[in-house]
Amino acid sequence: EVQLVESGGGLVQPGGSLRLSCAASGFTFRSYWMHWVRQVPGKGLVWVSRINSDGSSTSYADSVKGRFTISRDNAKNTLYLQMNSLRADDTALYYCARDGGSSGPLDYWGQGTLVTVSS
Amino acid sequence: DIQMTQSPSSLSASVGDRVTITCRASQSISSYLNWYQQKPGKAPKLLIYVASSLQSGVPSRFSGSGSGTDFTLTISSLQPEDFATYYCQQSYSTLYTFGQGTRLEIK
Repeated sequence: EVQLVESGGGLVQPGGSLRLSCAASGFTFRSYWMHWVRQVPGKGLVWVSRINSDGSSTSYADSVKGRFTISRDNAKNTLYLQMNSLRADDTALYYCARDGGSSGPLDYWGQGTLVTVSS
Repeated sequence: DIQMTQSPSSLSASVGDRVTITCRASQSISSYLNWYQQKPGKAPKLLIYVASSLQSGVPSRFSGSGSGTDFTLTISSLQPEDFATYYCQQSYSTLYTFGQGTRLEIK
């Protein structure tokens, strides 16, 4: 069974940093691209970032480019999101999701980890 | 960035109704369009990929169509468990984008 379990969320002050993790199991993690998607409670889904299977290629939404870094450790089956210079509008539930293939659907999602940026 | 616009933003319908949700892309995305269902407090669930392919385990009352810039998600006969929010998402560009969502409510 495919499982994605996010962790690392919490309360952080504006300007602070946080690193999210996503532990993957039930599939060959090193073979799949992975994504981060966020959602302000009660609002819509916003794509944040993606990384290819070996970590050599990444993409970011304009709103986080230069502040967030996506990475992965295929030996540990873990995806990361390093978030720096956090702002109040980064407050959201952060999901990791598996890219199902070349057509890009996100076929499995974790349950999310909540990040709150507030003083 | 490619903008995705869904309509309507909300919809009231009854069990047994046929419902159609529309998604329009700001430029051609070929068939790189996916649909998700999200229920309150839950993660999104993939329903349809590449515009019209049904994800494994998804009931056949869900269907998708379209290509280029205009796409539709149709639920042929609404069931109580279908009341949720639906999102389209394009995977044509390396910068993925979602529509704003369509909330499907019970009439």
